[in-house]
Order: sequence, then structure tokens, then C-alpha cells
Amino acid sequence: GAVVSQHPSWVICKSGTSVKIECRSLDFQATTMFWYRQFPKQSLMLMATSNEGSKATYEQGVEKDKFLINHASLTLSTLTVTSAHPEDSSFYICSAIGLPQGYTFGSGTRLTVV
Amino acid sequence: GENVEQHPSTLSVQEGDSAVIKCTYSDSASNYFPWYKQELGKGPQLIIDIRSNVGEKKDQRIAVTLNKTAKHFSLHITETQPEDSAVYFCAASKNDYKLSFGAGTTVTVRA
Repeated sequence: GAVVSQHPSWVICKSGTSVKIECRSLDFQATTMFWYRQFPKQSLMLMATSNEGSKATYEQGVEKDKFLINHASLTLSTLTVTSAHPEDSSFYICSAIGLPQGYTFGSGTRLTVV
Repeated sequence: GENVEQHPSTLSVQEGDSAVIKCTYSDSASNYFPWYKQELGKGPQLIIDIRSNVGEKKDQRIAVTLNKTAKHFSLHITETQPEDSAVYFCAASKNDYKLSFGAGTTVTVRA
């Protein structure tokens, strides 16, 4: 079946540094990718939607200058958390839409900012 | 926007018994309703989905029912096993675009 590879699976970074998370659709072309954030024992919160070759659309309350999303090709989208702070520590998950399989989720990235 | 409510938040069942999770949605235009299972530290895995032109769908021990009039859908797991223990999320979307998730149900299957 369809696979979305997300890396890294976990990362620890120092406060003030930037972290990049990658999502690749391995065997299909992802016309749209979604980025979610999930805090412990909570649901998935949509952060932004990205379409290949165009700017991402951010949900209300999500800082676009802090969470940079690049969807440069039909198989790759990246999320960069800039100037990370401890409150950005969370579980980040990507999801890709392709035909005909619909939504496929990545395995998630646990970000810890110290 | 779409609002999805999910109940219960926690569910404990004896192995072999059935588990039922219910969700309601607010946007009558929503037409796609997937259910996901999430294990600790992993991304959500699709377990079953249903579209608005169907009232019920079954896959072995898992079934989903949809009532469009009442705007609610349910997940049924029969003959539960310890490996069914996880967090389950319902979701809804319109025309295969943004998914709106329920708050999740933590299911514990007691051996």
C-alpha cells in the first residue's frame, strides 16, 4: 500500500535552533500534504496545508514564519520549526493525499526542545 | 468549519466483548468518514472508512455505520483482543480535503 516516510522519528534540539522534518511519499504522487501537531493525550491539530509548487495555507493561530513549510515536489514536503522553544515540543505528523488511496499518514516526529 | 465530537473518551472492555465508539459531525456536506487507530509514538493508521453514499461497511471484526440524517457514525469492534488496545480517532471531511478529527477514545482490552 501507499507509504509516507517521515524523518526523523525523534529529535532533541536546543532552544533557539531550527529543526527540519521531512515527509516523502514513496510510491505515489502527493498532490496535497497536511501537517499536524499532537500534544500528549490530545487529538491531531491541523497546522497547515501545502500543495506542490505553491505557498502553504496555515490554520488560524499558526505562525507561518515559525513553521516554514516547503512542498517543492510531488513526493516531498518539509516542515522547519525555526527558533524552537520548549513550548514547541510536540509530536508532528504529516499526511499526504494521492489517488486513488486517499490519505496516508507518516509515522510522526517527536520533537523535544531543551 | 466542521466540528466532530467523539464519545466516550475512554473505554475498557473485557477481551472477547464488543467495543463501540460514537461520533457526531456538524457539517451536512461532509461525505467521507475514516477511523484511525493510533498506537503510542506512532502515526494514525486507517482501519476502516465509509462514504456518505453507504450506510454500513464491515471488515472482519470491524464495522462502521453512518446515519446521515442524524449526522453520526459509529465504530464497532467485535471479539476484542488485547492488540486492539490503542487510541481511536474518528474524522470527517468534505470532498476528500481537510480532515477534522474527534478528540479520541482510549480503548483498553482487559485480558
